[in-house]
Amino acid sequence: GQNIDQPTEMTATEGAIVQINCTYQTSGFNGLFWYQQHAGEAPTFLSYNVLDGLEEKGRFSSFLSRSKGYSYLLLKELQMKDSASYLCAVGNQGGKLIFGQGTELSVKP
Amino acid sequence: GAVVSQHPSRVICKSGTSVKIECRSLDFQATTMFWYRQFPKQSLMLMATSNEGSKATYEQGVEKDKFLINHASLTLSTLTVTSAHPEDSSFYICSASVGRGGAMETQYFGPGTRLLVL
Repeated sequence: GQNIDQPTEMTATEGAIVQINCTYQTSGFNGLFWYQQHAGEAPTFLSYNVLDGLEEKGRFSSFLSRSKGYSYLLLKELQMKDSASYLCAVGNQGGKLIFGQGTELSVKP
Repeated sequence: GAVVSQHPSRVICKSGTSVKIECRSLDFQATTMFWYRQFPKQSLMLMATSNEGSKATYEQGVEKDKFLINHASLTLSTLTVTSAHPEDSSFYICSASVGRGGAMETQYFGPGTRLLVL
């Protein structure tokens, strides 16, 4: 079967650091994506990991451990505009994406 | 680059009518397009994969006769919801990639179409 788990909700303070975890069990693995989605809008691409390790891109970093079926998205220096849903998605055969249920992040002043 | 548009952004229709949604890749040629559906507070569920010039591949549980997909060119795919019912009300999102299956290409998403069936 295929299962992707991430927390439903998280709350953090402006300026702080937050880590959103994602664990997965899928029948195939062709990389892991993180997307950001604001309410009523389409997802926007944040990161892609296919090898183990940390990928840093500005305030956002993403980590992958294939042996553990685990990834996290790290957001630094949080801003109010970072309040959104963060979607973990595993790439599968045929270029398909299997999405987790998303983590709703609320950034408070 | 990698801009995907959808039209319309919002549509309200009566039960029993058909609705067509267009998905266009504006600045690249998309050999593969994907159609997703998202219900409130839920994640994206893949409905079908559309390759230019061939029939769409539908996910399990998605009725191909109800959700007609046409990928007539490298920049345009359409989804037609036939005989729409209130339970079809949802947020429909398309994405496009330049891969041809196999290789994992980044998918770029359109802005979505909110469908409300009365």
